[in-house]
Amino acid sequence: KQEVTQIPAALSVPEGENLVLNCSFTDSAIYNLQWFRQDPGKGLTSLLLIQSSQREQTSGRLNASLDKSSGRSTLYIAASQPGDSATYLCAVPRNYGQNFVFGPGTRLSVLP
Amino acid sequence: SAVISQKPSRDICQRGTSLTIQCQVDSQVTMMFWYRQQPGQSLTLIATANQGSEATYESGFVIDKFPISRPNLTFSTLTVSNMSPEDSSIYLCSVDGGGTGELFFGEGSRLTVL
Repeated sequence: KQEVTQIPAALSVPEGENLVLNCSFTDSAIYNLQWFRQDPGKGLTSLLLIQSSQREQTSGRLNASLDKSSGRSTLYIAASQPGDSATYLCAVPRNYGQNFVFGPGTRLSVLP
Repeated sequence: SAVISQKPSRDICQRGTSLTIQCQVDSQVTMMFWYRQQPGQSLTLIATANQGSEATYESGFVIDKFPISRPNLTFSTLTVSNMSPEDSSIYLCSVDGGGTGELFFGEGSRLTVL
């Protein structure tokens, strides 16, 4: 059974810092890995999707890497801003169209 | 990508009643997924809804409690039946946008059961 963990559970940083969020999964047989952002009481916004054959993806100040063999992904946020404050979740499906297993999330606060 | 609209965005309900949540997508999609997010928790898949067939429920979720309709390729409903305070959660509809395996979510429906 796939299990996904995220470290740290919460993080508070001053504006402008570069930071790394970690996601680990127990079963390396994944179809892809997706990072999401969730604002309080809201739905999820897709940030980055990494296919299983890829090593990383970039979008603006965000960079996500994937090491399937070790069961790890990292989300790097450059030059953090208060608007980045949210909960960040990673999720992995075993195959296309199958159940995405979500991590518990990292709650990020960026202080002005 | 896909744009997903959910209704209602929030509701407060009495114990023992039922509530139907609607999910509308701006494009035709094969698979739609319903998730539950209990307070302070991550997301758990309730069921997968395919057009023209019965929904597939995950372990711990049953059709009598969470009946799902999928009348066409752009619309689905989830009903939470005979509600109890334990059903207080955010219910989220999601779809695979464009067959890429990337999930897109609606804004969610926040349900409070008194």
